Amino acid sequence: DADVTQTPRNRITKTGKRIMLECSQTKGHDRMYWYRQDPGLGLRLIYYSFDVKDINKGEISDGYSVSRQAQAKFSLSLESAIPNQTAFYFCATSDGATLAEKLFFGSGTQLSVL
Amino acid sequence: DQQVKQNSPSLSVQEGRISILNCDYTNSMFDYFLWYKKYPAEGPTFLISISSIKDKNEDGRFTVFLNKSAKHLSLHIVPSQPGDSAVYFCAARLVSGSRLTFGEGTQLTVNP
Repeated sequence: DADVTQTPRNRITKTGKRIMLECSQTKGHDRMYWYRQDPGLGLRLIYYSFDVKDINKGEISDGYSVSRQAQAKFSLSLESAIPNQTAFYFCATSDGATLAEKLFFGSGTQLSVL
Repeated sequence: DQQVKQNSPSLSVQEGRISILNCDYTNSMFDYFLWYKKYPAEGPTFLISISSIKDKNEDGRFTVFLNKSAKHLSLHIVPSQPGDSAVYFCAARLVSGSRLTFGEGTQLTVNP
């Protein structure tokens, strides 16, 4: 079983729709992150959370919101999807205990906004 | 403002030869650097890291070199294997926080 699970794996939606991407983890890590990957732009941080009551904006948070429902769950919402939000979305976790800040990623969600 | 840059979008090498992937950064406050590998339809996985107080870290076939004066790091894979074909991301961490800044990625193809 995957330690970091993302659902759905693929999603096609229309402009203006609200959608939610879900992430759950069994690693027991406190820290969770949402990244977006676009060709030629690498991975960019959308939001991150170091604890259940902690939510922080990343580099590109506009148009997104998150909810940390429990230590193991971190969901990403697009309130009103637009075509330039078409991308691969990755959830990640870390324990924050090591200097390396090693991230563990889920398998990603391919989102297409038409 | 791209603080971590991987200027080569792709690299192709023969099996058994050395692969060298490069990464440049602009922020001197980065204190830790990491490399991640990503296969298609999978999330990135951690490969190797280096602290800014070191200039080299080795793990099996993978070695990362850091040149702080040039703000440059490189990942060497020797010998390269077809299974190494993947996208490689360089990432850097600021002293003041735990967030990682990623480069654009380099697609490595190792030909049999």
